[in-house]
Amino acid sequence: SQKIEQNSEALNIQEGKTATLTCNYTNYSPAYLQWYRQDPGRGPVFLLLIRENEKEKRKERLKVTFDTTLKQSLFHITASQPADSATYLCALDSNYQLIWGAGTKLIIKP
Amino acid sequence: KAGVTQTPRYLIKTRGQQVTLSCSPISGHRSVSWYQQTPGQGLQFLFEYFSETQRNKGNFPGRFSGRQFSNSRSEMNVSTLELGDSALYLCASREGLNEQFFGPGTRLTVL
Repeated sequence: SQKIEQNSEALNIQEGKTATLTCNYTNYSPAYLQWYRQDPGRGPVFLLLIRENEKEKRKERLKVTFDTTLKQSLFHITASQPADSATYLCALDSNYQLIWGAGTKLIIKP
Repeated sequence: KAGVTQTPRYLIKTRGQQVTLSCSPISGHRSVSWYQQTPGQGLQFLFEYFSETQRNKGNFPGRFSGRQFSNSRSEMNVSTLELGDSALYLCASREGLNEQFFGPGTRLTVL
């Protein structure tokens, strides 16, 4: 069956360190993959999009990698701050529909 | 451009009633998707509309329905409400296959 998986457990990271979140998928061949941030009670906010022919994408302290052989994307936040604490969702496109992971809750401790 | 707007923001209904939620997408966006999110759960896809046609549908019962108007505004309707329908309902719009822009959501409570 087709599925997209993210770490279900919360990720606790010390402020200043790099946080790395994982998104794995099976039985899809997405043209691109997206990452979003969601704060409690609010809608997700788009962060980064990476295409299948791109190995890495950066935006300020954020970096995303996309390995279509491993069927995996990694999302990195460098120099993490308590304000980065949120749930991070990955999504891939399948037949005009975005398929979403359940999200990983990231907690940055001061 | 103005962002995606949803009305109402909060709603309290009782079991058996029906409810209609509204979404106004970003100007120029023809695709509108609806999602249900319950505490601790990911986004559950309800349906997607494009140019007034339902293009995709998730695995929800027929009590959940939607439509899109010629100005791309969309509504979703839930009939015969059940307690389990209590959730945050999110609408998102996008242009082409780019990122989705989400509205603030409608918090529905069914008593």
